[in-house]
Amino acid sequence: GAVVSQHPSWVICKSGTSVKIECRSLDFQATTMFWYRQFPKQSLMLMATSNEGSKATYEQGVEKDKFLINHASLTLSTLTVTSAHPEDSSFYICSALWSGNTIYFGEGSWLTVV
Amino acid sequence: GNSVTQMEGPVTLSEEAFLTINCTYTATGYPSLFWYVQYPGEGLQLLLKATKADDKGSNKGFEATYRKETTSFHLEKGSVQVSDSAVYFCALSDGTDSSASKIIFGSGTRLSIRP
Repeated sequence: GAVVSQHPSWVICKSGTSVKIECRSLDFQATTMFWYRQFPKQSLMLMATSNEGSKATYEQGVEKDKFLINHASLTLSTLTVTSAHPEDSSFYICSALWSGNTIYFGEGSWLTVV
Repeated sequence: GNSVTQMEGPVTLSEEAFLTINCTYTATGYPSLFWYVQYPGEGLQLLLKATKADDKGSNKGFEATYRKETTSFHLEKGSVQVSDSAVYFCALSDGTDSSASKIIFGSGTRLSIRP
């Protein structure tokens, strides 16, 4: 069964609104989580590293004010896409680090901005 | 910078056919190499890995050998099953495991197996 759960799996939102995606580690505490996005026929690209209790570390070129990451507890990290636009439509997937050396991925979330 | 290139899909095979999914990489230093698999409706799972040149990773009948001379890590399976239908991602990290180091993924190859 899944050890990392993402919600929602699919979401459609209107342009200009914000949408939040949750990533939960179900059976373990994760001090570090990672957020990726994937455009069609392209690689999974790391967006940011989320550390519990501190600010996320964003990759170069990722707008931190647009993609807000909150890792408020050891089992939950959230990604909020603010003022979403159609070009933000993508597949977003998170992963959580367990016991320092194993990564578990979520199922991913499809975002469509209309 | 580091990058991973894998063959585009979709790949459609009949059950019991031989499978090869090509993967090549560009990296400085000595990366670790991975194959991840994503079954329909599930998260990415680590399928196999190799941490140094000439290492062979294997799992569930799949194999891949870390070839430094050709910078490749091709995925193979001698006889595929319908249950192998999934998306396969080749990846690398600049650490010795898939944890604290950043993982760089290929674009993924969708595999469909016909009964």
